Amino acid sequence: EDQVTQSPEALRLQEGESSSLNCSYTVSGLRGLFWYRQDPGKGPEFLFTLYSAGEEKEKERLKATLTKKESFLHITAPKPEDSATYLCAPVWDSGGATNKLIFGTGTLLAVQP
Amino acid sequence: DGGITQSPKYLFRKEGQNVTLSCEQNLNHDAMYWYRQDPGQGLRLIYYSQIVNDFQKGDIAEGYSVSREKKESFPLTVTSAQKNPTAFYLCASSRYTGTAGEKLFFGSGTQLSVL
Repeated sequence: EDQVTQSPEALRLQEGESSSLNCSYTVSGLRGLFWYRQDPGKGPEFLFTLYSAGEEKEKERLKATLTKKESFLHITAPKPEDSATYLCAPVWDSGGATNKLIFGTGTLLAVQP
Repeated sequence: DGGITQSPKYLFRKEGQNVTLSCEQNLNHDAMYWYRQDPGQGLRLIYYSQIVNDFQKGDIAEGYSVSREKKESFPLTVTSAQKNPTAFYLCASSRYTGTAGEKLFFGSGTQLSVL
């Protein structure tokens, strides 16, 4: 069964304290992986798309990396405004006309000043 | 500004009542989606549409119905057959399906609660 697991479920950091979020998956035929940020009561906001193992992408204090079995979202020197839930979603070939995408349950990040 | 508009922000359903959630996009996207989000669970796909007048069931379609009469609009009806409708509903769109790189753009969501 195709599965996605994000860890930790929740993470509390002090401002400036760097850390990483993990997204591991068991899917066959991975075509790519999305990272999204979601604020309370709002829709997810796109951050990154990664396509192949070894790929890295950066945006401000965030850097996403991808291996064959997992992806990391590294947060360097976070600020309180980085507090949100971070969702990952691998995309794979389901054998049909469209690719299949499945979202993880997310990591709730709280950055304290 | 281009984007996806969901309405209403909050909706209350009485027992035995059907309710309809609105989703409109002005991004000229072909594909549109409805997801349900429950606390502690990932987003689950209810229905999706790749083109006008065509749509497919997702993973949890029972108790829901949709229509796609216009490219810009993809309303979701939560029927009385959906016994546990309380959730946060998200509409999304993408240029098309079938390509890994086509990211989803999301609306701001509708919180549905049962009275």
